[in-house]
Amino acid sequence: AQTVTQSQPEMSVQEAETVTLSCTYDTSESDYYLFWYKQPPSRQMILVIRQEAYKQQNATENRFSVNFQKAAKSFSLKISDSQLGDAAMYFCALSNPNTGNQFYFGTGTSLTVIP
Amino acid sequence: KAGVTQTPRYLIKTRGQQVTLSCSPISGHRSVSWYQQTPGQGLQFLFEYFSETQRNKGNFPGRFSGRQFSNSRSEMNVSTLELGDSALYLCASSLGAGWRDTEAFFGQGTRLTVV
Repeated sequence: AQTVTQSQPEMSVQEAETVTLSCTYDTSESDYYLFWYKQPPSRQMILVIRQEAYKQQNATENRFSVNFQKAAKSFSLKISDSQLGDAAMYFCALSNPNTGNQFYFGTGTSLTVIP
Repeated sequence: KAGVTQTPRYLIKTRGQQVTLSCSPISGHRSVSWYQQTPGQGLQFLFEYFSETQRNKGNFPGRFSGRQFSNSRSEMNVSTLELGDSALYLCASSLGAGWRDTEAFFGQGTRLTVV
């Protein structure tokens, strides 16, 4: 079974500050992908960042970076220099070879950016 | 390049009716997945279609069905609607050739309300 857990239903951050969103997961597969998706009020899910499990180097996309701890099955997202446009629901997700294009999503973290 | 298009955006149906939702993937994408998003259950996988064949199916009753056409457009159908079917239905499109090809692009969803 695959599970993804986000233990922070809500987070807030001051504009220009840094915030870290937590995610833990469980899978018996040795090869898998982890994702962070952003869902703004427009409802469209947007890929923020992707990490391949066999890559030890943490993925980075501009102001977004992850801390991937494979042994601990932890995959946190760090947002640096937070901007008002970062306010959204953030979902952590997992996919693996046995389930192809099926994603397992966490319950989401609602991020508020305070001006 | 056009994104993923879901129609209609909003829908109100009466309990017991049936409904059909449509998803047009990004040009060249052959995989279409459907998800149900509710406040209580979060994002749950319904099914995935690839080259007109259902490749994977989530744990939903038989009232939920889908199909994919030769142009990769997909429809999902829900028969005998129940109040609990009220949700945001999201469609995701990807190239879909293999599981590593899992960068999924989501549509804006169809908000279904059952009264």
